[in-house]
Amino acid sequence: GENVEQHPSTLSVQEGDSAVIKCTYSDSASNYFPWYKQELGKGPQLIIDIRSNVGEKKDQRIAVTLNKTAKHFSLHITETQPEDSAVYFCAAIPNDYKLSFGAGTTVTVRA
Amino acid sequence: DADVTQTPRNRITKTGKRIMLECSQTKGHDRMYWYRQDPGLGLQLIYYSFDVKDINKGEISDGYSVSRQAQAKFSLSLESAIPNQTALYFCATRGRGSTDTQYFGPGTRLTVL
Repeated sequence: GENVEQHPSTLSVQEGDSAVIKCTYSDSASNYFPWYKQELGKGPQLIIDIRSNVGEKKDQRIAVTLNKTAKHFSLHITETQPEDSAVYFCAAIPNDYKLSFGAGTTVTVRA
Repeated sequence: DADVTQTPRNRITKTGKRIMLECSQTKGHDRMYWYRQDPGLGLQLIYYSFDVKDINKGEISDGYSVSRQAQAKFSLSLESAIPNQTALYFCATRGRGSTDTQYFGPGTRLTVL
């Protein structure tokens, strides 16, 4: 099955700086890569996703890049704000339609 | 109203007790999932169902069972709870497309004493 590795496990940034989270996947058949944000006491919520035929996607302060050859994808958050503090999960889906999740990154934005 | 609801939201029980966690969704999706979350381990798949008659084991199904009562309802049972089943449990649902968004419920925090 698919194996997704996520780094770093924790990330502390100064407000206004950028944050980058990186993930690698093992199954070359994976074709969809969503990112989820989990706030305290809540379930994960989709914040951005990318399909395998696209190299980069942006949504305001959030961007995701995908390198299919190297089998890795990254989440970039620019101009971080206190409300960006949360746990972030990357995921990949191979052909069996089950998402495989990374272990999560706890992001803390320092004021 | 929330698209995916879970009951109860919190539960404390004792070793050996039978526990049922319930999940309902209003998205009209066929596919439903149960995950377990432990600190540092991300989301581990317990069971998944692609329709009412199709139920499959996930990565960590031992000690758990499920029931898909209807398209909108998917329950997770712990037949005889043990302390290492203390965790946060999430239900999720998604459409049939491989790139459809997966929606999560708010979670159930289960503590087994």
